Amino acid sequence: AQTVTQSQPEMSVQEAETVTLSCTYDTSESDYYLFWYKQPPSRQMILVIRQEAYKQQNATENRFSVNFQKAAKSFSLKISDSQLGDAAMYFCAYIKTSGSRLTFGEGTQLTVNP
Amino acid sequence: GAVVSQHPSWVICKSGTSVKIECRSLDFQATTMFWYRQFPKQSLMLMATSNEGSKATYEQGVEKDKFLINHASLTLSTLTVTSAHPEDSSFYICSATGLAGGSPDTQYFGPGTRLTVL
Repeated sequence: AQTVTQSQPEMSVQEAETVTLSCTYDTSESDYYLFWYKQPPSRQMILVIRQEAYKQQNATENRFSVNFQKAAKSFSLKISDSQLGDAAMYFCAYIKTSGSRLTFGEGTQLTVNP
Repeated sequence: GAVVSQHPSWVICKSGTSVKIECRSLDFQATTMFWYRQFPKQSLMLMATSNEGSKATYEQGVEKDKFLINHASLTLSTLTVTSAHPEDSSFYICSATGLAGGSPDTQYFGPGTRLTVL
């Protein structure tokens, strides 16, 4: 069974600085998708970034980028120039194929200090 | 694109009554919808997966007679909590995946429904 592990229950960062959230996963599949979702205090789940496993190039979305290491089964999220609005719970997630279930990590609570 | 709505956002009901929660994909056709339950400071727990026109597939330990799921159209799924009890109080979130407005492998989430059973 697929598992997703986020080893950092809590992280903090100073405003304008950079922070990296860790995620590892376990799967025997070669094709799959990985995601980072953000859940602010409103509890709305927001897609931050998406990575296809067959792509070697790391995904980027503005200040958010990932370091995808397929052999190591690692998928970390880097947030540059952190803003107060980045404070949220961040979930790493894995999906095998379209329409199948998402497997979530336990989440990392990010605090941004002014 | 890829917007999912959920209604109501907050509901309080008496023990023993039933509550219906609606999940709608507003700008795309949702071939598959998912229902999750989330406890405070915890991750999302998948309750069931539903495909349009088919019976929902429930996760182990989820009572299908208590949590009725209907996915009658490509834009609407409903979750009915029957004979609700205080232990059913929780935050319920739906997500949808499908065609147009986003990637078919990506789940887009509704804003959630907070259920409180007195």
